[in-house]
Formats: sequence, C-alpha cells, structure tokens
Amino acid sequence: GENVEQHPSTLSVQEGDSAVIKCTYSDSASNYFPWYKQELGKGPQLIIDIRSNVGEKKDQRIAVTLNKTAKHFSLHITETQPEDSAVYFCAAFSSGSARQLTFGSGTQLTVLP
Amino acid sequence: AAGVIQSPRHLIKEKRETATLKCYPIPRHDTVYWYQQGPGQDPQFLISFYEKMQSDKGSIPDRFSAQQFSDYHSELNMSSLELGDSALYFCASSSGLAGNQETQYFGPGTRLLVL
Repeated sequence: GENVEQHPSTLSVQEGDSAVIKCTYSDSASNYFPWYKQELGKGPQLIIDIRSNVGEKKDQRIAVTLNKTAKHFSLHITETQPEDSAVYFCAAFSSGSARQLTFGSGTQLTVLP
Repeated sequence: AAGVIQSPRHLIKEKRETATLKCYPIPRHDTVYWYQQGPGQDPQFLISFYEKMQSDKGSIPDRFSAQQFSDYHSELNMSSLELGDSALYFCASSSGLAGNQETQYFGPGTRLLVL
C-alpha cells in the first residue's frame, strides 16, 4: 500500500519568514495530493491540493509543488503569521486498488511573534 | 457554507460497551469516509461509502461496522469497546458524482473515551 513520509516533524519560524514542509510517497498510482491544517481539538481543514498532472499550484501565501518523477511534494507558506501555527498533514490519494487517503505523520508548525 | 456535521462531539463509554457515531455530509456530497486519529497520530482510514454502498475498507476492526443511509448520512457502530479505541473519529465527505471523490472535507470529529 501507499506510504507517505513527512518532514520535519516540528518547525519553528519567526513571523514573516517562510516555512517549507516536505513529503514523499511510494505508490506511483497516487494522483491527488492534499494538504490539511489541523488546530488543536478540530478536524483537518483542507488548505490546498494538487493533482498529478500539475507541477505547482499557488493560493495567496500558500503554494504546493509536485515532482512526480521523484515522488515528492512540498508545501510552502510565505509571510507566516502566528495564526498559521498548527499541525500540517500531507496526504496522497491512490487511484489504484485501495482508493483512500494516506496521511503523513504531521508537522507541528509554530510561528513565533 | 455548510460543513460536515458529526454527533456526538464527545462520548464516554465503558469497556465492552457499544457506541454509535453519526455523520451528516455536506449537502449534495455522496461519499463518506471514516477515520480514526489517536493522540499525536495522523488520521487512519477506516472505511468509505459511495452512493450507500461500501466503497473501500482500511484498518477497520471487525468489531466496527458502518453504513450509509438513503439521505447519505452515515453511522459508525463500534461494539465490544476496548481502551485502545479511545481516539478522535472523523468523518469526511466528498462528491463522487462531480468527479471529485478524492477531495475530502472533514467534520469536527467525535472524541471517544473508553474507560
């Protein structure tokens, strides 16, 4: 089945700096890669996603890049704000026999004011 | 915009008891997914339904069962509860008919504590 690895597990940045979180996946049948933000006690919130036919996608301060050949994708947050502090999960959706989202282990992002 | 609704939000049960969690998907969403998230862990896929039929199965214990009803809401039934079942249970919904089955929106979760 799919295996998603996520790094780093914790990340602290100063307000205004950029943050980058990286993930790799194993299943070449995976074709959809969402990123979720989860605040304490809340459900994961979809913040951006990318499909395998696209290399990069941007939405205001958030961007995601995908390298299908290397099987890795990254989340970039620019001009970070304290309210960006949360756990971020990458995930991969396989279109193969097991159609499900497999999550990375999460990154605790802390934006220091 | 309407979101996924889950009930109850908190549930406390004793070992060996049963529990039923409910999920109401976003209007016009036809696909429902259930996930279990332990403390400090990532969500683990349990089971999914599309158009009231079981679609895919993940790491769901045999003690658990689920179904999706004609109004697309779903229920997760958990029997013979164990201490290790204590976790956050999330439901997510998507629109398979619109070709976006994989784009999942999560509910606020049900926190289950088994004593």
